[in-house]
This record gives sequence, structure tokens and C-alpha cells, in this order.
Amino acid sequence: EIVLTQSPATLSLSPGERATLSCRASQSVNSYLAWYQQKPGQAPRLLIYDASNRATGIPARFSGSGSGTDFTLTISSLEPEDFAVYYCQQRSNWPETFGQGTKVEIK
Amino acid sequence: QVQLVQSGAEVKKPGASVKVSCKASGYSFTSHSMHWVRQAPGQSLEWMGWIAAGNDDTYYPQKFQDRVTITKDTSASTAYMELASLTSEDTAVYYCARETKFCIGGTCRYYPEYWGQGTLVTVSS
Repeated sequence: EIVLTQSPATLSLSPGERATLSCRASQSVNSYLAWYQQKPGQAPRLLIYDASNRATGIPARFSGSGSGTDFTLTISSLEPEDFAVYYCQQRSNWPETFGQGTKVEIK
Repeated sequence: QVQLVQSGAEVKKPGASVKVSCKASGYSFTSHSMHWVRQAPGQSLEWMGWIAAGNDDTYYPQKFQDRVTITKDTSASTAYMELASLTSEDTAVYYCARETKFCIGGTCRYYPEYWGQGTLVTVSS
């Protein structure tokens, strides 16, 4: 099973700052990776698919990059509604797996 | 608009089974595969399996292979996830999630885009 390791576990930033989240896979997933945002009490929301493509309705401040084993989610300028937990997910190999999450909190 | 409405919270005793439903609307039910994902309190997401769009093919991770059954009723546009032999470690919110096909430059891939609201299953004696 492919293990996804996200870092950091927590990111403390202020609105307007840039957030950079990392996801590293234990083996190559090519570009078959997604990013999700989850707020308390809500279901996950798909942000990025295929490592770098924004899903429908996702603001341009969210961007994804990477391939193989190293991936990055960047939020260019944090809005108040962006403070949440972010998960990466690989769909390259069954079983599909998720990272343990990065919490972006208000500093 | 696409909607996935799940059944209500459940409280079960250890050793029992639970069946969670996910009623879909706003799209052709037979055109999109469905996933089930769970989240224990304060934990990450855990993929439990998948049922294909056009037939009844399923896939379950080895961890759940002996205990989980995913089915669907096309006439009711509803998917189901049944988990047997419950223990306290199965206490979690269970989500259904519908795949969307994304195509770029002739290559198409599928990702869970639409999610149900979640169903809390509590296992307690």
C-alpha cells in the first residue's frame, strides 16, 4: 500500500500569507493525486485533481504541482475561509490512500 | 444539482452490522461510480471501497475485504455500504462519494468529487 506523508502537520499563518503544503508518496503515483479541503463538520471538498488541475469552482489562489513522489499544494494568499485541514489522496494504486492531513490555522 | 443524501446516525453494539445508504439525485446514477470513505474521530480519511458505475463490480481494500459489502439499487438511485462484525474501532463518520470524469488532452481520469453529508456510526456496548 502506498503511504502518503504530509508536512507540516500544522501550519500557522495569517490571512494574506502564502501557504505551502507538502505530500510525499512512498512510491511513484505519477500524477494521479488529488487534494481535498475539509472544514469541521463538513465532508471533504475536491480542490485539485491530477496533481495540478483545479476542480470546478475552485479559486485560482489554489494551485498544485509535482509528479512521481513529491507534491505541493500552494494557497497564494490565504482568505479567512481557507483555514481548514487539507488531505492528499493517491488514486494510482489500489488501495487508494490518503495522507494524514495538514491543518492550516490562523496565527 | 448533484446531491448525495445519506441515512441517519446509527448506534450499534459490538459484533453487530450496520448498513448505510446514499441516495443520489441530479444526475444519471448508472453513469458514475461510487466510493465509500470513513473518518474516525480526529483522524484522517480511510478508503473503504468502490462500486462501478455500469455493473456491480466492486473493490475492497484487504483490510475490509471480509467485513464490507458495497451494493447499489439502480431503480432507487441508492448505494449502500454494509459493515459487519463491528468493534469500537469502527466508530466513525462514513461518507459516500461520487466519481467525476475529468479529461485533459485526451486523457481521462476519475476522482471523487461529490460527497454525501456523512453518517456517524457509533459502536458502543
